[in-house]
Amino acid sequence: DADVTQTPRNRITKTGKRIMLECSQTKGHDRMYWYRQDPGLGLRLIYYSFDVKDINKGEISDGYSVSRQAQAKFSLSLESAIPNQTALYFCATSDPRTGGPEAFFGQGTRLTVV
Amino acid sequence: GEDVEQSLFLSVREGDSSVINCTYTDSSSTYLYWYKQEPGAGLQLLTYIFSNMDMKQDQRLTVLLNKKDKHLSLRIADTQTGDSAIYFCAEDYNQGGKLIFGQGTELSVKP
Repeated sequence: DADVTQTPRNRITKTGKRIMLECSQTKGHDRMYWYRQDPGLGLRLIYYSFDVKDINKGEISDGYSVSRQAQAKFSLSLESAIPNQTALYFCATSDPRTGGPEAFFGQGTRLTVV
Repeated sequence: GEDVEQSLFLSVREGDSSVINCTYTDSSSTYLYWYKQEPGAGLQLLTYIFSNMDMKQDQRLTVLLNKKDKHLSLRIADTQTGDSAIYFCAEDYNQGGKLIFGQGTELSVKP
């Protein structure tokens, strides 16, 4: 079983719809992140959370919100999806205290907004 | 803001060495990373280097760090077709655990 699991893996949604992407981890890490990947732009940080009570905006948070329901769960919401949010979304976890400097990534969610 | 730059494409022949280059701007980064992404997959950590090191070798991989020029490189010796993937350079921005990624270099290995 994967250490970082994202659901769904693929999703097509219509403009204006609300959509939630979910991430769960079994690594016991405190820190969780949401990134989006666009061709030629690499990965950009949307939101991050260093523990259950800590939520921070990343580089490109406009149009997104997050919820850290538990240490193991971090969900990303698009309140009103728009076509330029079509991208590959990655969840990641890290914990310098136990896991060293490495960030562990999920398999990604491919989102298409039509 | 902070920035990490990579060239987008590299093509090599099987058995040759590949060198993927990266420049970064945050001089306070503690770690610099190389991640590999195969088609349809997530990111896999290949290697990382602590900022007070100049070089790190791990089997076919050699990482060189020039802190003065803020330049990082990844050399893959004896490149194989299975090495074809996108390679991302990343820095640990402001030592806060947040990664700043380059655009990714797509490595194509021709038989």
